[in-house]
Order: sequence, then C-alpha cells, then structure tokens
Amino acid sequence: DIQMTQSPSSLSASVGDRVTITCRASQNINNYLNWYEQKPGKAPKLLIYATSSLRSGVPSRFSGSGSGTDFTLTISSLQPEDLATYYCQQSYTQWTFGQGTKVEIK
Amino acid sequence: EVQLVESGGGFVQPGGSLRLSCAASGFTFSAYWMSWVRQTPGKGLEWVANIKPDGSEKYYLDSMKGRFTISRDNAKRSLYLQMNSLRAEDTAVYYCAGTGSSGRYYYFDYWGRGTLVTVSS
Repeated sequence: DIQMTQSPSSLSASVGDRVTITCRASQNINNYLNWYEQKPGKAPKLLIYATSSLRSGVPSRFSGSGSGTDFTLTISSLQPEDLATYYCQQSYTQWTFGQGTKVEIK
Repeated sequence: EVQLVESGGGFVQPGGSLRLSCAASGFTFSAYWMSWVRQTPGKGLEWVANIKPDGSEKYYLDSMKGRFTISRDNAKRSLYLQMNSLRAEDTAVYYCAGTGSSGRYYYFDYWGRGTLVTVSS
C-alpha cells in the first residue's frame, strides 16, 4: 500500500497567516493527489483534486502544488472558518489518505 | 442540491453481518462512480470500495476483499455495502461518496453524513 504522511499533525496560526501543509507519498503517485477539509462533526469536503485543480466553489485562498512524492496545500490568508482537519488522499492505486493535519486559530 | 443519505448502521457482534444503504439525489447517480469510505479515531479515513457507474467493475481495499461487497441499483439511485464476518476493527463511521473524475483523476466529490457501525461483543 502507498503510505501518505502529512506534516505537521497540527498547527496553530493567526487569522491572515499563510499556512502550508505537506503530504509525502511512499512512492511516486504522479499527480494523483487530492485534498479534503473536515470540520468538526461534519463529513469531509473536497478542496483540490489532481494536485492543483480547485474544486468549483472553493475559495481561491486554497491552492495545491507538488509532483511525484511531495505535495503541498497552502492557505494564503487563514480565515476563522478554516478551523478544520485537512487530509491528503492519493488516487493512484489502492486509494489511501494521510493521517490529517488539524488547523487551529490562535 | 446533492444529497447522500446512509442508513443501516448499528450494533453487531463479531462475526455478524450488516448491509449499509445510501440513497442519492440531486445529481446524475447513474453516471457517477460511487465509493464507501470509513473513518475511525485510530486509523483515520480509509477507502473501502468503489463501483463503476454501470456496476460492471468493483474495486476493494485489499483487506476488505472477500468480506465486503459493494453494489448499486441505478433505478433506485441507491448504493449498498454488504459487510460479512465483521471484526472489532471494522467499527467506524461509514460514508457514501460520489466519486467524480477529470480524465484519469478520481476524487470523492460528494459525501453523505455517514452511518456508525459498532462491532462489539
């Protein structure tokens, strides 16, 4: 199975800060990488697919980049409503998720 | 508005069976791949299985093969997961997910609210 490792596991940042979350795959997954946001008590929600394509309706402060084994989710200016856990997920084979990064607001 | 509503979760003893259902509305169900994804506090999010729009292809996480069966009824706009030989580690919230695609890229586009399955003696 392809292992997905996110870092950090949690972070605390202020409103307006630039936040970066990384995701590393245990082998090359090309660009088969998606990002999800899960707010407390809710189902996950798709933010970005195919590494860098923003899902319709998702704010433009979210962006994704990377290739091969290393990927990044960036929130350009953190907002209070971004309090959530963020997950990466590979759809290359035997789809797997990262363990999540919990984002808290200072 | 897209809606996915799961049902069928509950309490079951180890070795038992459950059948989960998911009722879809608000999108062209028969054109979508569909998936089951589960979530536990310990293992996080885990893809379980998915099924092609016409039901002709099914894929499973290796550890689920032989115990879980995914199926669909496009006329009823419904997705199912038959779970047999349940183990304590199958305890999780099970989500139904509409699986979108852009070329060869697949992603979980729509999610239900989930149904809790508890396996315990």
